[in-house]
Amino acid sequence: QAALTQPRSVSGSPGQSVTISCTGTSSDVGRYNYVSWYQQRPGRGPRLLIFDATDRPSGVPDRFFGSKLGNTASLIISGLQAEDEGDYYCCSYGGNYNFVFGTGTRVTVL
Amino acid sequence: EEQLSESGGGLIQPGGSLRLSCAASGFSFRDYAMTWVRQAPGKGLEWVSSISASADSRFYGDSVKGRFTISRDNSNNMLYLLMNSLRADDTALYYCGRTPTGHYGSGFYFWGQGSLVTVSS
Repeated sequence: QAALTQPRSVSGSPGQSVTISCTGTSSDVGRYNYVSWYQQRPGRGPRLLIFDATDRPSGVPDRFFGSKLGNTASLIISGLQAEDEGDYYCCSYGGNYNFVFGTGTRVTVL
Repeated sequence: EEQLSESGGGLIQPGGSLRLSCAASGFSFRDYAMTWVRQAPGKGLEWVSSISASADSRFYGDSVKGRFTISRDNSNNMLYLLMNSLRADDTALYYCGRTPTGHYGSGFYFWGQGSLVTVSS
C-alpha cells in the first residue's frame, strides 16, 4: 500500500495559519473516516493531534483542526506558534486491518 | 496518567531475533487494541503490527509478515513484539501505541520514547 502524499514542508509566521494536505486513494482516505494526525518534535515520540479525521484528544489545543474531503484530508494549524515546529504525519486506515502513514511534512515557523 | 514504556531493543546481527516489550499503565489495557509502529533513522513512520483487545486477531504490515509476531498479556498489561530473521532495514525506533477509542482504525496514542533496534554485523 503506497504512502499517503503530504507536502515536504510548509512554513508560516507566528500567528498565521498553515494547512497540511494528506492525499490518499478511494481505498483508504476516501473510504474511511479513520484519518489521524501526529506531531513529532525533534527527539520526541509522535503525539496524537487528531483522530477519526476531525476529533481532538483532550489536551490538544483547538488551534489544530482536522478535515476531510474525498481522498484528501487536511490539518489546519491556526495561530501558529514557535512550539508548533516539527514534523507532522497523517495516517489512514486502509482496510484489511492495515494502516498507511503519510510521507511527513516539516513545519517551520519563520 | 496513561503510560506506555518500550524496552528490549539493542544491537543484533542480521538473521537474529529480538523481543520488544511494552509496559502499559494508567488505563484498562485489556479494553484496547494495541499497535507497533516504527521509524527508521531520519525517515517517516511505518505501521508494523496490531493486535485486538482480546488477542484473538493479529495483523501485520507486508514488510514484517512471516517474521514478526505480536502478542499481549492482559493479566500483566504487557505488549510484545517478537522479531525473527532480522534484516538491516528493520533498524528503527519502535513505538507501541494504543487506540484512542474502541474502534480499531481510529489512530494511536504514543506515550513512550520508543525502543531502538539496530541490525548490523
